[in-house]
Amino acid sequence: GQQLNQSPQSMFIQEGEDVSMNCTSSSIFNTWLWYKQEPGEGPVLLIALYKAGELTSNGRLTAQFGITRKDSFLNISASIPSDVGIYFCAGRPGSNYQLIWGAGTKLIIKP
Amino acid sequence: DGGITQSPKYLFRKEGQNVTLSCEQNLNHDAMYWYRQDPGQGLRLIYYSQIVNDFQKGDIAEGYSVSREKKESFPLTVTSAQKNPTAFYLCASTEWQGEKNEQFFGPGTRLTVL
Repeated sequence: GQQLNQSPQSMFIQEGEDVSMNCTSSSIFNTWLWYKQEPGEGPVLLIALYKAGELTSNGRLTAQFGITRKDSFLNISASIPSDVGIYFCAGRPGSNYQLIWGAGTKLIIKP
Repeated sequence: DGGITQSPKYLFRKEGQNVTLSCEQNLNHDAMYWYRQDPGQGLRLIYYSQIVNDFQKGDIAEGYSVSREKKESFPLTVTSAQKNPTAFYLCASTEWQGEKNEQFFGPGTRLTVL
């Protein structure tokens, strides 16, 4: 089946640093979604992207829908301790109801 | 408040027993989904339903069953045929609006088989 490659798998960052992560696909997607999951909880939607080239911000978070429609990027500026968690990308190929999920990027703040 | 509720939060089951996980939404969403998440893993689709009285198998449906008798409810039964049922189970729903398909999740149920 279709797969998304999400990288990096984990990140150790200092508070205040900027963070970048991305997802790539071998096929074209019509929608890219970015979620954050905290331990023992369900994922929470952060940003939704619907058009190639679209750049959308949500506070310190910025995500882009790649121009080739095969990738997406999420950036977090000036990270703070509450940013820790697992960030997932998800994409929708075609017009069906299903999403294809990345394996997640775990964000860890260095003490 | 509108949202998705899952119950119970934690569930323990003996081997060989069937168990049903509840998922209810009051968002008036058309489609509902069940995912399984294992430690350090992403989400894998078990079953989904686009409308009442209709549902389709996802990538890992073996050992699971669902029903969709009401729009707001989509219970998942983990049967004794599921070989490794210990996992975190997530329910989601979405309102189909043309090109938009933003899935919203419940808080999850952690199932442990003893």
